[in-house]
Amino acid sequence: QQQVKQSPQSLIVQKGGISIINCAYENTAFDYFPWYQQFPGKGPALLIAIRPDVSEKKEGRFTISFNKSAKQFSLHIMDSQPGDSATYFCAASLPLGDKIIFGKGTRLHILP
Amino acid sequence: KAGVTQTPRYLIKTRGQQVTLSCSPISGHRSVSWYQQTPGQGLQFLFEYFSETQRNKGNFPGRFSGRQFSNSRSEMNVSTLELGDSALYLCASSLFTGKDEQFFGPGTRLTVL
Repeated sequence: QQQVKQSPQSLIVQKGGISIINCAYENTAFDYFPWYQQFPGKGPALLIAIRPDVSEKKEGRFTISFNKSAKQFSLHIMDSQPGDSATYFCAASLPLGDKIIFGKGTRLHILP
Repeated sequence: KAGVTQTPRYLIKTRGQQVTLSCSPISGHRSVSWYQQTPGQGLQFLFEYFSETQRNKGNFPGRFSGRQFSNSRSEMNVSTLELGDSALYLCASSLFTGKDEQFFGPGTRLTVL
């Protein structure tokens, strides 16, 4: 119930294409869903986050789509660039929780 | 503003030894969380400290422990190291809770031989 399942494990996309990473959860009490981006040799960094009262949030080329009824959320990267090549983690946390539960990550590679 | 710093960046130990890792959070941040990152398991939560008190703990054996000092700096200790403890250990700081935006350090790469 506390898990966040992320897919795919790895993804290869052509430059200019759309990268899509999906996550699913079971616990309907989760109320905060961040996405983190991690480059090799660095710690993860917050990319974008959403709360379940909205169905979509966009920041530049990055969009989170949230489907509360399906208990799924996804990250879309439009016009993917080689610099987007990184590992992406979805995550979720509870209203009164003090920790964030991470998915297992997606390694994204954008072909030049 | 300086980011989260972790020392050392790399460590090589042998089975049975113990190790202490250090984390200095961003100035003003009072919550420090620790994670273990491995290729197979991803990011796994170890524990979170706030005002020198452990506020949350993940599912790790008692060989993993931590503490936080009055200046919010934190250390984690792993005793009786096992081969499976080889991982990247990440520290994250946030203002008040582990749920606020977390700022991660670069991690300490621990290799157990």
